[in-house]
Amino acid sequence: GQNIDQPTEMTATEGAIVQINCTYQTSGFNGLFWYQQHAGEAPTFLSYNVLDGLEEKGRFSSFLSRSKGYSYLLLKELQMKDSASYLCAVRDRGDYKLSFGAGTTVTVRA
Amino acid sequence: ETGVTQSPTHLIKTRGQQVTLRCSSQSGHNTVSWYQQALGQGPQFIFQYYREEENGRGNFPPRFSGLQFPNYSSELNVNALELDDSALYLCASSGRDRENTGELFFGEGSRLTVL
Repeated sequence: GQNIDQPTEMTATEGAIVQINCTYQTSGFNGLFWYQQHAGEAPTFLSYNVLDGLEEKGRFSSFLSRSKGYSYLLLKELQMKDSASYLCAVRDRGDYKLSFGAGTTVTVRA
Repeated sequence: ETGVTQSPTHLIKTRGQQVTLRCSSQSGHNTVSWYQQALGQGPQFIFQYYREEENGRGNFPPRFSGLQFPNYSSELNVNALELDDSALYLCASSGRDRENTGELFFGEGSRLTVL
Protein backbone atom coordinates (compact mmCIF):
# COMPACT_ATOMS: atom_id res chain seq x y z
CA GLY A 1 0.00 0.00 0.00
CA GLN A 2 0.92 3.65 0.00
CA ASN A 3 1.99 5.99 2.78
CA ILE A 4 1.08 9.52 1.71
CA ASP A 5 2.04 12.49 3.84
CA GLN A 6 1.08 16.12 3.45
CA PRO A 7 0.82 19.00 5.93
CA THR A 8 -2.48 19.37 7.74
CA GLU A 9 -2.94 23.12 7.41
CA MET A 10 -1.41 26.14 5.68
CA THR A 11 -2.35 29.81 5.78
CA ALA A 12 -1.40 32.46 3.24
CA THR A 13 -2.34 35.98 2.19
CA GLU A 14 -4.38 36.88 -0.86
CA GLY A 15 -2.06 37.40 -3.85
CA ALA A 16 0.74 35.33 -2.34
CA ILE A 17 2.16 31.92 -3.31
CA VAL A 18 1.75 28.70 -1.36
CA GLN A 19 3.50 25.37 -1.92
CA ILE A 20 1.91 22.17 -0.62
CA ASN A 21 4.32 19.25 -0.33
CA CYS A 22 3.42 15.60 -0.59
CA THR A 23 5.64 12.59 0.02
CA TYR A 24 4.64 9.05 -0.78
CA GLN A 25 5.84 5.46 -0.69
CA THR A 26 4.51 3.01 -3.21
CA SER A 27 5.42 -0.41 -4.57
CA GLY A 28 4.73 0.50 -8.20
CA PHE A 29 4.10 4.12 -9.11
CA ASN A 30 1.71 4.97 -11.93
CA GLY A 31 0.77 8.59 -11.47
CA LEU A 32 0.19 11.30 -8.91
CA PHE A 33 -2.92 13.45 -8.79
CA TRP A 34 -3.88 16.63 -7.00
CA TYR A 35 -7.51 17.35 -6.18
CA GLN A 36 -9.19 20.42 -4.70
CA GLN A 37 -12.10 19.96 -2.30
CA HIS A 38 -14.16 22.82 -0.95
CA ALA A 39 -15.97 22.19 2.31
CA GLY A 40 -19.04 20.03 1.77
CA GLU A 41 -18.30 19.47 -1.91
CA ALA A 42 -16.81 16.75 -4.10
CA PRO A 43 -13.09 16.66 -4.94
CA THR A 44 -12.30 18.20 -8.33
CA PHE A 45 -9.28 17.30 -10.44
CA LEU A 46 -6.42 19.80 -10.58
CA SER A 47 -3.38 18.07 -12.02
CA TYR A 48 -1.71 14.83 -13.00
CA ASN A 49 2.00 13.94 -13.07
CA VAL A 50 3.47 10.66 -14.21
CA LEU A 51 6.91 11.82 -15.39
CA ASP A 52 9.42 13.90 -13.44
CA GLY A 53 9.15 17.62 -13.79
CA LEU A 54 6.78 20.53 -13.59
CA GLU A 55 3.29 20.68 -15.08
CA GLU A 56 1.84 24.18 -15.27
CA LYS A 57 -1.83 24.95 -15.62
CA GLY A 58 -2.67 28.61 -15.15
CA ARG A 59 -2.15 29.68 -11.54
CA PHE A 60 -1.57 26.09 -10.45
CA SER A 61 1.57 24.02 -11.05
CA SER A 62 2.50 20.54 -9.89
CA PHE A 63 5.95 19.01 -9.63
CA LEU A 64 7.02 15.39 -9.37
CA SER A 65 10.24 13.63 -8.45
CA ARG A 66 9.73 9.87 -8.68
CA SER A 67 13.17 9.00 -7.29
CA LYS A 68 12.42 11.04 -4.15
CA GLY A 69 8.78 10.04 -3.84
CA TYR A 70 7.93 13.73 -3.71
CA SER A 71 5.49 16.12 -5.27
CA TYR A 72 4.34 19.64 -4.64
CA LEU A 73 1.39 21.73 -5.72
CA LEU A 74 2.13 25.43 -6.22
CA LEU A 75 -0.70 27.91 -6.02
CA LYS A 76 0.16 31.38 -7.31
CA GLU A 77 -1.68 34.71 -7.03
CA LEU A 78 -3.87 33.29 -4.30
CA GLN A 79 -7.53 34.22 -4.28
CA MET A 80 -10.07 33.88 -1.48
CA LYS A 81 -11.84 31.15 -3.46
CA ASP A 82 -8.67 29.03 -3.25
CA SER A 83 -9.45 28.36 0.41
CA ALA A 84 -10.07 24.62 0.35
CA SER A 85 -8.57 21.23 1.12
CA TYR A 86 -5.96 19.98 -1.35
CA LEU A 87 -5.64 16.22 -1.68
CA CYS A 88 -2.57 14.39 -2.95
CA ALA A 89 -3.32 10.95 -4.41
CA VAL A 90 -1.15 8.19 -5.86
CA ARG A 91 -2.02 5.40 -8.27
CA ASP A 92 -0.20 2.09 -8.35
CA ARG A 93 0.94 0.40 -11.56
CA GLY A 94 -1.68 -1.93 -12.97
CA ASP A 95 -4.34 -0.35 -10.80
CA TYR A 96 -6.96 2.30 -11.28
CA LYS A 97 -7.74 3.12 -7.68
CA LEU A 98 -6.26 6.19 -6.03
CA SER A 99 -4.80 6.29 -2.54
CA PHE A 100 -5.33 9.70 -0.96
CA GLY A 101 -3.50 11.63 1.66
CA ALA A 102 -5.48 13.24 4.47
CA GLY A 103 -5.49 16.60 2.68
CA THR A 104 -4.03 20.02 3.37
CA THR A 105 -6.46 22.75 4.39
CA VAL A 106 -5.36 26.06 2.86
CA THR A 107 -6.83 29.24 4.30
CA VAL A 108 -6.41 32.42 2.27
CA ARG A 109 -6.64 35.64 4.27
CA ALA A 110 -7.24 39.13 2.97
CA GLU B 1 -21.66 15.82 -21.04
CA THR B 2 -23.52 14.58 -17.95
CA GLY B 3 -21.49 14.48 -14.74
CA VAL B 4 -21.55 11.95 -11.93
CA THR B 5 -24.76 12.07 -9.92
CA GLN B 6 -25.44 10.46 -6.56
CA SER B 7 -28.52 9.90 -4.45
CA PRO B 8 -29.57 10.51 -1.80
CA THR B 9 -27.48 13.53 -0.84
CA HIS B 10 -28.12 13.15 2.89
CA LEU B 11 -29.60 10.39 5.00
CA ILE B 12 -29.84 9.34 8.62
CA LYS B 13 -29.95 5.72 9.75
CA THR B 14 -29.70 3.89 13.06
CA ARG B 15 -27.24 1.19 14.06
CA GLY B 16 -28.02 -2.20 12.57
CA GLN B 17 -29.97 -0.84 9.63
CA GLN B 18 -29.08 -1.26 5.97
CA VAL B 19 -28.51 1.47 3.37
CA THR B 20 -28.30 1.63 -0.42
CA LEU B 21 -26.55 4.50 -2.16
CA ARG B 22 -26.84 5.10 -5.89
CA CYS B 23 -24.57 6.56 -8.53
CA SER B 24 -24.87 7.38 -12.21
CA SER B 25 -21.50 7.58 -13.92
CA GLN B 26 -20.36 10.29 -16.28
CA SER B 27 -21.32 9.76 -19.90
CA GLY B 28 -18.83 7.49 -21.66
CA HIS B 29 -17.24 6.18 -18.45
CA ASN B 30 -17.32 2.43 -17.82
CA THR B 31 -15.56 2.24 -14.45
CA VAL B 32 -17.09 3.23 -11.13
CA SER B 33 -15.28 3.47 -7.81
CA TRP B 34 -16.65 4.09 -4.34
CA TYR B 35 -14.79 5.95 -1.61
CA GLN B 36 -15.55 6.66 2.04
CA GLN B 37 -14.46 10.01 3.42
CA ALA B 38 -14.59 10.54 7.16
CA LEU B 39 -14.55 14.08 8.48
CA GLY B 40 -11.10 15.65 8.15
CA GLN B 41 -9.68 12.69 6.23
CA GLY B 42 -8.93 11.88 2.62
CA PRO B 43 -11.19 9.51 0.68
CA GLN B 44 -10.57 5.81 1.37
CA PHE B 45 -11.06 3.31 -1.46
CA ILE B 46 -13.91 0.84 -0.90
CA PHE B 47 -14.12 -0.98 -4.26
CA GLN B 48 -14.23 -0.52 -8.00
CA TYR B 49 -16.52 -1.96 -10.68
CA TYR B 50 -15.67 -2.49 -14.32
CA ARG B 51 -18.04 -4.15 -16.76
CA GLU B 52 -20.38 -5.14 -13.93
CA GLU B 53 -17.71 -7.00 -11.94
CA GLU B 54 -15.82 -6.00 -8.82
CA ASN B 55 -12.31 -5.15 -9.92
CA GLY B 56 -10.46 -4.33 -6.72
CA ARG B 57 -11.39 -3.86 -3.10
CA GLY B 58 -9.99 -1.83 -0.24
CA ASN B 59 -9.83 -2.72 3.43
CA PHE B 60 -13.57 -2.82 4.09
CA PRO B 61 -15.59 -5.72 5.58
CA PRO B 62 -17.97 -7.86 3.49
CA ARG B 63 -21.00 -5.95 4.79
CA PHE B 64 -19.95 -3.33 2.23
CA SER B 65 -21.11 -4.63 -1.14
CA GLY B 66 -21.90 -3.20 -4.53
CA LEU B 67 -23.32 -3.64 -7.98
CA GLN B 68 -22.75 -2.18 -11.40
CA PHE B 69 -25.48 -2.26 -14.02
CA PRO B 70 -25.25 -2.55 -17.83
CA ASN B 71 -25.62 1.24 -18.16
CA TYR B 72 -22.57 1.57 -15.84
CA SER B 73 -24.58 3.02 -12.96
CA SER B 74 -23.78 1.55 -9.57
CA GLU B 75 -25.04 0.90 -6.05
CA LEU B 76 -23.23 0.70 -2.74
CA ASN B 77 -24.94 -1.35 -0.04
CA VAL B 78 -23.94 -1.35 3.59
CA ASN B 79 -25.50 -3.85 6.00
CA ALA B 80 -25.55 -3.84 9.80
CA LEU B 81 -24.63 -0.17 10.02
CA GLU B 82 -22.21 0.93 12.72
CA LEU B 83 -21.63 4.38 14.17
CA ASP B 84 -18.22 4.55 12.44
CA ASP B 85 -19.91 4.19 9.07
CA SER B 86 -20.97 7.83 9.37
CA ALA B 87 -19.13 9.53 6.51
CA LEU B 88 -19.38 11.08 3.08
CA TYR B 89 -19.63 8.35 0.45
CA LEU B 90 -18.20 9.41 -2.88
CA CYS B 91 -18.77 7.77 -6.21
CA ALA B 92 -16.23 8.38 -8.95
CA SER B 93 -16.28 7.37 -12.58
CA SER B 94 -13.45 7.06 -15.03
CA GLY B 95 -12.77 5.80 -18.52
CA ARG B 96 -10.26 3.13 -19.45
CA ASP B 97 -9.24 4.19 -22.92
CA ARG B 98 -5.60 5.05 -23.58
CA GLU B 99 -6.29 8.68 -24.32
CA ASN B 100 -7.10 9.62 -20.76
CA THR B 101 -5.09 9.66 -17.58
CA GLY B 102 -7.61 7.60 -15.66
CA GLU B 103 -8.46 10.60 -13.53
CA LEU B 104 -11.51 10.23 -11.35
CA PHE B 105 -14.60 12.39 -11.71
CA PHE B 106 -16.41 12.57 -8.39
CA GLY B 107 -20.06 13.01 -7.61
CA GLU B 108 -21.23 15.35 -4.85
CA GLY B 109 -21.45 12.46 -2.42
CA SER B 110 -24.01 10.96 -0.07
CA ARG B 111 -23.60 12.05 3.53
CA LEU B 112 -24.60 9.20 5.84
CA THR B 113 -25.18 9.72 9.53
CA VAL B 114 -25.61 6.64 11.73
CA LEU B 115 -27.20 7.23 15.12
